[in-house]
Amino acid sequence: DIQMTQSPSTLSASVGDRVTITCRASQSINNWLAWYQQKPGKAPKLLIYKASSLESGVPSRFSGSGSGTEFTLTISSLQPDDFATFYCQQYNSYPVAFGQGTKLEIK
Amino acid sequence: EVQLVESGGGLVHPGGSLRLSCAASGFTVSSNFMSWVRQAPGKGLEWVSVIYSGGDTYYADSVKGRFTISKDNLKNMLYLELNSLNLEDTAVYYCAKSGEQCCDFHNWGQGTLVTVSS
Repeated sequence: DIQMTQSPSTLSASVGDRVTITCRASQSINNWLAWYQQKPGKAPKLLIYKASSLESGVPSRFSGSGSGTEFTLTISSLQPDDFATFYCQQYNSYPVAFGQGTKLEIK
Repeated sequence: EVQLVESGGGLVHPGGSLRLSCAASGFTVSSNFMSWVRQAPGKGLEWVSVIYSGGDTYYADSVKGRFTISKDNLKNMLYLELNSLNLEDTAVYYCAKSGEQCCDFHNWGQGTLVTVSS
C-alpha cells in the first residue's frame, strides 16, 4: 500500500503570507494527487487534482506542483478564509490514501 | 447543480448492522465513479469503498468482507451496507463523486454520523 506523509502537521501563518505544504508518497503515484481543504464540521473541498489542476471555482492563489513522489500545495497570499486543515490524497492505486493532514493556524 | 445527501446514520451496538444511503441529484450515478469516505471523530480522512459505472467495486482492507457498496441507477442512489460493526467504525461517512478519473473527489455530501457503542 502507498503511504502519504504530509509536512508540517501544523503551520502557523499570518494573513498575506505565502505558505507551502509538502506531501510525499512512499512510491511513485505519477500525477494522481489531489489536495483538499476542510473546515471544522464541514465536508472536505477539492482544491487541486492531478497534482496541478485547479478545481473550478477555487481561487487562483492556490496552486499545486510536483510529480512522482513529492508534491506541494502553495497558497500565494493567505486570506482569513483559508485557515483550515489540508489533506493530500493519492489515487494512483488502491487503496486510495490520504495524508494525515496539515492544520493551518493563524499566527 | 451536483448535490449529494447522505442518510441512515445512527447509534448501533458492536456487531450490529446499518445501511447508509446517498441521494444524488444533478448527475447520474450510473455513469460516474462513486465512493464512500469516512472520518473518525477528531481524525483524518479514510477512503472506504468505490463503485464504478460498470459495477466493479473496491474496498479498504479495514472494511473488506464487512461492508458492501451498491447503487440503484433508477433511483439515482448510492448505498453502503455496514455489517459486523466495531468501535473503530465510528465516524462521519461521506459519499463522494469523482471526476473523469477515479478517485479524486470533486463533490461531497454533508456526511452522516455512525456511532458504534455498547
